[in-house]
Amino acid sequence: GDSVTQMEGPVTLSEEAFLTINCTYTATGYPSLFWYVQYPGEGLQLLLKATKADDKGSNKGFEATYRKETTSFHLEKGSVQVSDSAVYFCALSEWNTGNQFYFGTGTSLTVIP
Amino acid sequence: DADVTQTPRNRITKTGKRIMLECSQTKGHDRMYWYRQDPGLGLRLIYYSFDVKDINKGEISDGYSVSRQAQAKFSLSLESAIPNQTALYFCATSEPGQGSDTQYFGPGTRLTVL
Repeated sequence: GDSVTQMEGPVTLSEEAFLTINCTYTATGYPSLFWYVQYPGEGLQLLLKATKADDKGSNKGFEATYRKETTSFHLEKGSVQVSDSAVYFCALSEWNTGNQFYFGTGTSLTVIP
Repeated sequence: DADVTQTPRNRITKTGKRIMLECSQTKGHDRMYWYRQDPGLGLRLIYYSFDVKDINKGEISDGYSVSRQAQAKFSLSLESAIPNQTALYFCATSEPGQGSDTQYFGPGTRLTVL
């Protein structure tokens, strides 16, 4: 069945450091891929998405490229800020499964000044 | 105003009590979902509904029931709460769209079962 695996945290970085959070997926068809962010005390918000292979999703300085050959959708940001401290979830949705969402376990990021 | 609202935001109850969590949305979406979030486990799907007459079990439906009262309202019930149902519960909505379905989440309900 479909599933998402993302790197375990917690991750702690200094401000302006480079961020990578790894995400790989297993799917039977051609899923859409998503990164959601959860700030403390809030619900999940869509950060970015990509709907087909080689698409790059981007938002707020974050980027992720849909790599079909490696079944990956790694999240990157060149220079993190304290305000990026949150939990990040990788997810997929596939037409074959009625667009059900499958979430990774989340990666907690703390950025220190 | 928020597009997806959940009530209550926090609830403490005792083992054996019946609890209802409510979700309302103004996005006009047909599809609604209930998830629970536990540390280290991410989000797990409890129930989902693709329209008012459609209810489907998710990964972890045992011990829960739902009611889709209208397009805009989707309630989750715990008939007899137990401590391992202590978790953060999220409602979400989405629009169908091949390859582009996006989910929109409420703020969550923190439930503690003593």
